[in-house]
Amino acid sequence: QQPVQSPQAVILREGEDAVINCSSSKALYSVHWYRQKHGEAPVFLMILLKGGEQKGHEKISASFNEKKQQSSLYLTASQLSYSGTYFCGTERSGGSNYKLTFGKGTLLTVNP
Amino acid sequence: DVKVTQSSRYLVKRTGEKVFLECVQDMDHENMFWYRQDPGLGLRLIYFSYDVKMKEKGDIPEGYSVSREKKERFSLILESASTNQTSMYLCASSSGSYTGELFFGEGSRLTVL
Repeated sequence: QQPVQSPQAVILREGEDAVINCSSSKALYSVHWYRQKHGEAPVFLMILLKGGEQKGHEKISASFNEKKQQSSLYLTASQLSYSGTYFCGTERSGGSNYKLTFGKGTLLTVNP
Repeated sequence: DVKVTQSSRYLVKRTGEKVFLECVQDMDHENMFWYRQDPGLGLRLIYFSYDVKMKEKGDIPEGYSVSREKKERFSLILESASTNQTSMYLCASSSGSYTGELFFGEGSRLTVL
């Protein structure tokens, strides 16, 4: 079952902030975030693990609310290079190892 | 540099043809994955493999099979291609960690006429 991402799309001006949300109806072990630029492969940004450990990108942060099975990706002082589609991927607690299920994506456009 | 290579960037096939999509990784990763990407649907997992000759179904395995005879190579097979399999196919690999980062290939865009 795919996690639900919101919003589906967001348009920013350079320097503005954005938040992308990801929620699941199932208990999660981890949440992954990826960014895909047009015509390119998705690229890893961050992993958030159950228990609060966070790994990933220097200029982008995220949170993981285990009780609500929700994660949020925070992009602050956005840059033109942040444009792309952001995907969250979730691993279920007690589910099959390595099975990462992605959401439908959030298209972020940063304009000058 | 980490590299996942998909053999064909663009393919055009006819309905009923057998199609092979090949993926090779040079990172000695245990795990390999095939995803399908369609507009508005995101990335959907078709099959994955956590060891040579091992495979598990993902969320949309119908109409597909896979083969992993060597650690570095993971093949996706469409036994009889249909028009609804027209899509972008992405291969990925990761290390043995449960929470391993996925490394994606550039993708193979398949059109079935």
